[in-house]
Amino acid sequence: DIQMTQSPSSLSASVGDRVTITCRASQGISNYLAWYQQKPGKVPKLLIYAASTLQSGVPSRFSGSGSGTDFTLTISSLQPEDVATYYCQKYNSAPCTFGGGTKVEIK
Amino acid sequence: EVQLVQSGAEVKKPGESLKISCKGSGYSFTSYWIGWVRQMPGKGLEWMGIIYPGDSDTRYSPSFQGQVTISADKSISTAYLQWSSLKASDTAMYYCARPDDYGDYLVYWGQGTLVTVSS
Repeated sequence: DIQMTQSPSSLSASVGDRVTITCRASQGISNYLAWYQQKPGKVPKLLIYAASTLQSGVPSRFSGSGSGTDFTLTISSLQPEDVATYYCQKYNSAPCTFGGGTKVEIK
Repeated sequence: EVQLVQSGAEVKKPGESLKISCKGSGYSFTSYWIGWVRQMPGKGLEWMGIIYPGDSDTRYSPSFQGQVTISADKSISTAYLQWSSLKASDTAMYYCARPDDYGDYLVYWGQGTLVTVSS
């Protein structure tokens, strides 16, 4: 089965900083990659699908890129409300594995 | 409006059985896969498996195959996750979730069911 590896596992950045999270698949998955945001105590929320398509209602400071095995989630200007854990997920075929998560905090 | 409403929190003892539910509404229940996701305390999301209520086609993650059973009753638009013999390590929040029309990413999520297994 394909493994999904995220890095870093956590990061701390200042408000306004550009933040980049990486997700790597152990085999190629084309662009079948989604990103989710989970705030503390809340249900996960879809941010991006098809590697780079922003889900409706998600702020434009979020963006995704990549194809094949290497993907990135970028927050162009970190805001206090972006404190959360972010997960990537492959969905080309079952099992639709999640990455281990990246916890984002404000410095 | 698409809604997934899960059953309430459960407290069980090791060795007991359990079946939790996820009721879909606001869409054609038999036309979309429903998946289950585990989140152990303080840990990440784990994809457990998925079922297509239309024909009960079910896929499991190898990590959960044989450990749980996913089923659905399309007459009442409800999906289930069940255990025959719970372990303390099954203590977790369990979410059901549904993909979109255009891909198997999870757009709609239930509110979660907290399962606590303790002697």
